[in-house]
Amino acid sequence: DIQMTQSPSTLSASVGDRVTITCRASQSISRWLAWYQQKPGKAPKLLIYKASSLESGVPSRFSGSGSGTEFTLTVSSLQPDDFATYYCQQFSSYPWTFGQGTKVELK
Amino acid sequence: EVQLVESGGDLVQPGGSLRLSCAASGFYFSRYSMSWVRQAPGKGLEWVANINKDGSEKYYMDSVKGRFTISRDNAKESHYLQMNGLRAEDTAVYYCARVDRTFLDDYPYMDVWGKGTTVTVSS
Repeated sequence: DIQMTQSPSTLSASVGDRVTITCRASQSISRWLAWYQQKPGKAPKLLIYKASSLESGVPSRFSGSGSGTEFTLTVSSLQPDDFATYYCQQFSSYPWTFGQGTKVELK
Repeated sequence: EVQLVESGGDLVQPGGSLRLSCAASGFYFSRYSMSWVRQAPGKGLEWVANINKDGSEKYYMDSVKGRFTISRDNAKESHYLQMNGLRAEDTAVYYCARVDRTFLDDYPYMDVWGKGTTVTVSS
């Protein structure tokens, strides 16, 4: 199975900060990666697919990059609505594994 | 409105069975693969199973193989997760999700999610 490791596990930030979350795959997954945002008690929401494609309706302050084994999700200017937990997921091979999550909290 | 609605979650004893349902609306159900994803209390997301458009291909995470069965009924625009031999570690919120793919290069992603149904395995 492909292991997905996110860092950091928790990130403390302020409104307006630029934040970056890293996701590393245990083997190359090309660009078969998606990013999701989840708020407490809610279903995940798709942000990015194919490593860098922005889902329709998602603010442009979110961006994704990377290929192979290392990927990043960047929020260019953190807004109050962005405090949440973020997950990466690989689709290169079954099982479609998730990273363990990164919680973005208010500093 | 594109929507997925899960049902069937309940409290069940260890070793028991449960069948989850996911009803789709607002899109051509038969054109999409569908997945189940779960989240144990206070934990992260865990992909459980996937079924392709016509139900001919099914994939599972290792810990549920032989115990869980994913299926679909395109006429009813629904898919299901039959869970047998339930264990305490299966306790979670179970989400169903639509799997879409990019047009030319077929990259998958889960773009529509239900609100989840809660399964609790306890004596």
